[in-house]
Amino acid sequence: DQQVKQNSPSLSVQEGRISILNCDYTNSMFDYFLWYKKYPAEGPTFLISISSIKDKNEDGRFTVFLNKSAKHLSLHIVPSQPGDSAVYFCAASIGGSQGNLIFGKGTKLSVKP
Amino acid sequence: ETGVTQTPRHLVMGMTNKKSLKCEQHLGHNAMYWYKQSAKKPLELMFVYNFKEQTENNSVPSRFSPECPNSSHLFLHLHTLQPEDSALYLCASSQGGAGSSGANVLTFGAGSRLTVL
Repeated sequence: DQQVKQNSPSLSVQEGRISILNCDYTNSMFDYFLWYKKYPAEGPTFLISISSIKDKNEDGRFTVFLNKSAKHLSLHIVPSQPGDSAVYFCAASIGGSQGNLIFGKGTKLSVKP
Repeated sequence: ETGVTQTPRHLVMGMTNKKSLKCEQHLGHNAMYWYKQSAKKPLELMFVYNFKEQTENNSVPSRFSPECPNSSHLFLHLHTLQPEDSALYLCASSQGGAGSSGANVLTFGAGSRLTVL
């Protein structure tokens, strides 16, 4: 059974608008969450993270929100740019346990000019 | 060379072949990992090496054999694979050791696309 779920396989957004990518998890022991971004023919690259002691972390156009009671996190990109078109993976871990990230299946974001 | 480099980028092999995937990191990181990405599945952790020592084997079949001769190099030796082993194999490294927050920020290579006929 998947512990990290990204229920939307794809998302299409107009340039300049907000992109919201969602992620749900089932294991309440997860305490560190990350988003990775992947372009075709490249490996995933780290984008932004959040610890369970916070409910929001912002880095430029990217903001991650964490709702522990709902076991839900989301990544907001605003304004969206065509270069943001990629597959976004949500990942979670327990206690900073090394490398044992549990990934979601990913959401493919397309930002249209 | 910078980052994490994987070779070959594409590999086609028969079920009786023996081949190896190579990974090299130029970041001075302490830990290296093998992940597997199959079609329509999440990335799955296979192996973790900390300072050249294997610290995680995620119930991977013995037809996959990792080797880490030093902190910068990681191999995945492949032997008598099955067609269902066809996938993208991703190598990654991280600066932190077990329990450190830096351990979670992985730098991935571009992957080796494996096809088993």
